[in-house]
Amino acid sequence: AQSVSQHNHHVILSEAASLELGCNYSYGGTVNLFWYVQYPGQHLQLLLKYFSGDPLVKGIKGFEAEFIKSKFSFNLRKPSVQWSDTAEYFCAVNAMNSGYSTLTFGKGTMLLVSP
Amino acid sequence: KAGVTQTPRYLIKTRGQQVTLSCSPISGHRSVSWYQQTPGQGLQFLFEYFSETQRNKGNFPGRFSGRQFSNSRSEMNVSTLELGDSALYLCASGGGPETFAGELFFGEGSRLTVL
Repeated sequence: AQSVSQHNHHVILSEAASLELGCNYSYGGTVNLFWYVQYPGQHLQLLLKYFSGDPLVKGIKGFEAEFIKSKFSFNLRKPSVQWSDTAEYFCAVNAMNSGYSTLTFGKGTMLLVSP
Repeated sequence: KAGVTQTPRYLIKTRGQQVTLSCSPISGHRSVSWYQQTPGQGLQFLFEYFSETQRNKGNFPGRFSGRQFSNSRSEMNVSTLELGDSALYLCASGGGPETFAGELFFGEGSRLTVL
């Protein structure tokens, strides 16, 4: 079975600092990769996705992620965070041997951005 | 267009009771999946339905069950509730036009408290 590991459980940054959240997965086959975000009091929503092609993908609100197949990694980055980026971030994998809507999530990283 | 609707939003039950949660996916989406979110275990996949058929099931006991109706609406049921079933239950909609496997739209969840 596949698994997803997120490197940090809690991250605290000041506004304008750069962000990188690590994510590694274990699955030898083809995967679709995602970052989902849960803002305080809001529902879980898609931040960005990778299916194929350019390994550097861009999402909403200036976020980007890079898929490195050899490292089984899909790290999330943002050059300059804002207070409004305070949220919990989840890395997720959809493996080709699983269901269409089956996601394996990491434990999540709580990001707190101080103004 | 309307998002994913889950009812009820909050409910309190006692041990041994059973509960039924409902989910209406986005119009045109054929897949519904359910996830359990707890502080300790994070987001865990329960099951997935596509065109009324269960396509995948997570590692949960048989007390957890679900179904999907012809109009794509879904219900999940938990029987003989235990304290550990207290969680936020999330429904996700997928399988719509121009979406890919794993690209899900989540509802706000049903928060179940078992006393």
